[in-house]
Amino acid sequence: EVQLLESGGGLVQPGGSLRLSCAASGFTFTSSDMAWVRQAPGKGLEWVSTILNSGGVTYYADSVKGRFTISRDNSKNTVYLQMNSLRADDTAVYYCAKVEWLHWFDPWGQGTLVTVSS
Amino acid sequence: QTVVTQEPSFSVSPGETVTLTCGLSSGSVSPSYYPSWYQQAPGQPPRTLIYSTNTRSSGVPDRFSGSILGNRAALTITGAQADDESDYYCVLYMGSGIDWVFGGGTKLTVL
Repeated sequence: EVQLLESGGGLVQPGGSLRLSCAASGFTFTSSDMAWVRQAPGKGLEWVSTILNSGGVTYYADSVKGRFTISRDNSKNTVYLQMNSLRADDTAVYYCAKVEWLHWFDPWGQGTLVTVSS
Repeated sequence: QTVVTQEPSFSVSPGETVTLTCGLSSGSVSPSYYPSWYQQAPGQPPRTLIYSTNTRSSGVPDRFSGSILGNRAALTITGAQADDESDYYCVLYMGSGIDWVFGGGTKLTVL
């Protein structure tokens, strides 16, 4: 069974940092592109970042470019999202998703909540 | 800035057919945008329904179908059921710079 399990969310002050992790199982992680998608409370979904299977190519939404870094450890079947200079509008549930053929997201993890507040 | 548009809300009676759409603020949606559709029940993560315009994801009932209608992508639910009451999101793959843009979502009420 394909599973994605996010962790690392929590409460952080504005300007602070947090690292999210997503542990994958049930599929060939080393061949898979991965993404983070977030959802602010009561709002819609927003694509955040994608990393290709080799780890050498990454993409970011303009809203997080220069502050967030996506990475992966293929030996641990895990993808990360390092979030720096956090702002209140980064408050959201962050979902990890497998990217299929670079075009769509399937499946999704359960999400981890990040709250940026003083 | 590219904006992907969806109906904010829709209401359907049980057993009826409903079509939700996904458009672009400028231009037409075509298969080259690889439109995909996701269902999100309250408090749950998204679930993939349709990808590449009209391919159902594994385990999705065949009463969910995708298409291009005019200049928009469309998700049709044939014979709506009570547990179809959810938020529905489309995503378009924009290609340039490589990014994915979500629509604002449609809240579907079945009553």
